[in-house]
This record gives sequence, C-alpha cells and structure tokens, in this order.
Amino acid sequence: DVKVTQSSRYLVKRTGEKVFLECVQDMDHENMFWYRQDPGLGLRLIYFSYDVKMKEKGDIPEGYSVSREKKERFSLILESASTNQTSMYLCASTFGIEQYFGPGTRLTVT
Amino acid sequence: DQQVKQNSPSLSVQEGRISILNCDYTNSMFDYFLWYKKYPAEGPTFLISISSIKDKNEDGRFTVFLNKSAKHLSLHIVPSQPGDSAVYFCAAVYSGYALNFGKGTSLLVTP
Repeated sequence: DVKVTQSSRYLVKRTGEKVFLECVQDMDHENMFWYRQDPGLGLRLIYFSYDVKMKEKGDIPEGYSVSREKKERFSLILESASTNQTSMYLCASTFGIEQYFGPGTRLTVT
Repeated sequence: DQQVKQNSPSLSVQEGRISILNCDYTNSMFDYFLWYKKYPAEGPTFLISISSIKDKNEDGRFTVFLNKSAKHLSLHIVPSQPGDSAVYFCAAVYSGYALNFGKGTSLLVTP
C-alpha cells in the first residue's frame, strides 16, 4: 500500500511566522503535489514537483515556496504566514494517473 | 477559470437508492477523469477513474459514465449506504499528471 505521511495533523501558528509542512511518500513516486482545500473552493494546486530539485507553480503559488531535496520528501514553506493561509493542506504523490493523498494538515494562522 | 465544475454543492439520498453525482468540464484535452471521496479531517481517497476513450467504467457499486460530446461525467452509486456520506471530488487530467479538481459535492445518505 502506498503511504503518504504529513508531519502534523494540526498546526497553529502566528502571523509572520515561517511555517514548514513536510510530506513523505514511500513508493518512490516521481511526482509530488501540494494542495490546499477550502470550503466551497475544492482542492487548489499550490506547487508540484516531478523530480528532485524540480518544481512547478500551480494555480495559487503566491505566499508559498517548496523544496524537494530528496525524492521521497516534498516540503511546503510559508515564508511569512498570514491569516488567509488558514486552510487544510494536502500532499499527494503519483507515478501514473492516480494521486495518493496524505491525511492533511489543518493549519490555523492567528 | 475553473475547468472542472461540480454544480451541486450537496446531495441527499435515502439508503438503498441511487446517488448520482455530476461533473462538467470545459477542456477537451483531458484524457482521464477520476473521482475521489473525502471524509472530514482525512485526505481524499481514489474511488474510480475513466479514460477519455471509454464511456463507462464500473467497480462494484460505483459506475462512472462519460459523455464526451456533452463534456459531462457522472458517478452512480447503487445502492447508496450511510458510509458513502462524504464529499466527492471530480478531477480531470491531461499532460500526464496535472489534476484539475472540481469544488466537490457533499453526499448525505440517510437511513
């Protein structure tokens, strides 16, 4: 079974803090993704990576950056957290069409 | 501009009846369509997919129908069970890996 894990299920941070969200997959997948899910807006793609050290912007990359130093790990960074980044963050990985998701991190920025 | 649309935010169905969730898309280049199911506080889980060259795919109680001329797909759940209550996301993909998601439909199956 594919396993995608995320470092925290719940996180509370203050405005202006730097926030790291970590994602690890154990299936040697090349492609990894970060989404955020908000009520009424569905899943929106923030960034994705198709190889180590490679990254591509998704639909809403502003305020975020990513890092992929190893194939199994994809990190999402909020350089200076803001209240409008309060959301559920979902990581996914894929080799083919189907994406496997982690359990999500509920981030609250106060 | 949203390329995958789920126009019904919610749906309520009685246990044992059929649930039909709908999805429309605008991009004729999509080559696969997928349905995901999501419970609160969990990540989405893959349910079923269909290639753009097919018009139907079935897996147990779940069937997806694709109407390319109408750019429309639907997910049928028969019979519906209370455990099917969740948010269902329609997604479409082209160029290999870039999934486009709809906004989701919340399904409630009542006993």
